[in-house]
Amino acid sequence: EPEVTQTPSHQVTQMGQEVILRCVPISNHLYFYWYRQILGQKVEFLVSFYNNEISEKSEIFDDQFSVERPDGSNFTLKIRSTKLEDSAMYFCASRSDLPEETQYFGPGTRLLVL
Amino acid sequence: SQQGEEDPQALSIQEGENATMNCSYKTSINNLQWYRQNSGRGLVHLILIRSNEREKHSGRLRVTLDTSKKSSSLLITASRAADTASYFCVLGGSRLTFGEGTQLTVNP
Repeated sequence: EPEVTQTPSHQVTQMGQEVILRCVPISNHLYFYWYRQILGQKVEFLVSFYNNEISEKSEIFDDQFSVERPDGSNFTLKIRSTKLEDSAMYFCASRSDLPEETQYFGPGTRLLVL
Repeated sequence: SQQGEEDPQALSIQEGENATMNCSYKTSINNLQWYRQNSGRGLVHLILIRSNEREKHSGRLRVTLDTSKKSSSLLITASRAADTASYFCVLGGSRLTFGEGTQLTVNP
């Protein structure tokens, strides 16, 4: 069964460094998402992406964040200058076109900013 | 944004028992979905029920939806230790909003 995959599974970085989290969505999906979950807190929406552009973003998704679909398979989340509070689990999700509405999530990347 | 609220916050049962979790919401919906998360790991989609459906089954899962009461329930029958997880109801839409969930513990 097709799955969303994410790399790396864990990443440790120093505050101020740039990180890129990678996702490979399910191959025929058209809508892509990033969510995050700070330890012990709720899963929060960050951004949705369709047709090579951001379709919606939350207030969390500030100028430090960017997303890109650099080729036909990868979907990336870049954090330009990491802060301690960016430490969280980051989940990628994808969805095919309507009428399918289910978002399928990857296993997540655990980011720790020191 | 639309959010479901799960109840109870925590549920502890013995293996083999049934587990029922409830969800209430405030807005009109097109569909409602249930997800499972094992201890901070990935979110697994369990089942989607549309607003014109009243009940749906998938294996040991049974979901009901009452749009007049704006509520849904998830029943897991014959629970197993592996069902220990947090369960979330999520209202349909592009931007999924997750609540606190119900933390289910199934004791062997």
